[in-house]
Amino acid sequence: EAQVTQNPRYLITVTGKKLTVTCSQNMNHEYMSWYRQDPGLGLRQIYYSMNVEVTDKGDVPEGYKVSRKEKRNFPLILESPSPNQTSLYFCASSLFRGGHEQYFGPGTRLTVT
Amino acid sequence: AQKITQTQPGMFVQEKEAVTLDCTYDTSDQSYGLFWYKQPSSGEMIFLIYQGSYDEQNATEGRYSLNFQKARKSANLVISASQLGDSAMYFCAMRSRSGNNRKLIWGLGTSLAVNP
Repeated sequence: EAQVTQNPRYLITVTGKKLTVTCSQNMNHEYMSWYRQDPGLGLRQIYYSMNVEVTDKGDVPEGYKVSRKEKRNFPLILESPSPNQTSLYFCASSLFRGGHEQYFGPGTRLTVT
Repeated sequence: AQKITQTQPGMFVQEKEAVTLDCTYDTSDQSYGLFWYKQPSSGEMIFLIYQGSYDEQNATEGRYSLNFQKARKSANLVISASQLGDSAMYFCAMRSRSGNNRKLIWGLGTSLAVNP
């Protein structure tokens, strides 16, 4: 089954404790992206990657890091989480050329206290 | 700047009736794509339908159709024969076909409640 998986689905953590949200897709997609969803602000892109070892900032990259060492994986790293990073996070993937649908992971609900 | 506007924060519809969710967009690009996603209370983002800016016919996917009016820059979603399971948030989104970033620009969504 074609899918994007994220782990964990829910996480409550404390300020400053490093965490990683994993994202993996099994569709051989070149393009992957992270969004965060906040009430009243909608979904905003954090980082994106066009292929292995090619990443770039989206609209709200501050406080986040990403890596793309393998095509299927695109982890989101919060080195020192803060309460303003409490949000619902989505990983998405798609073909870079051709096709149009972006496939979304199930979301990770993060709370930073 | 690219922007998506959804002017209906909440909508109600009776089961088995049709409902239209509004979406207007702003872009200076000639080539772009328009999307609708559904987000149920469980939180996942479900792709519903896509319309390319050069597509001459309105997109349809089962009970979903997209009423694309390019000159008015609108891309309304029509759900026919509403079902209780259609109760959810609905998001309109746009992607430019230029550049390397396939980022989606999102509206703030419309909450749809289907009444039995």
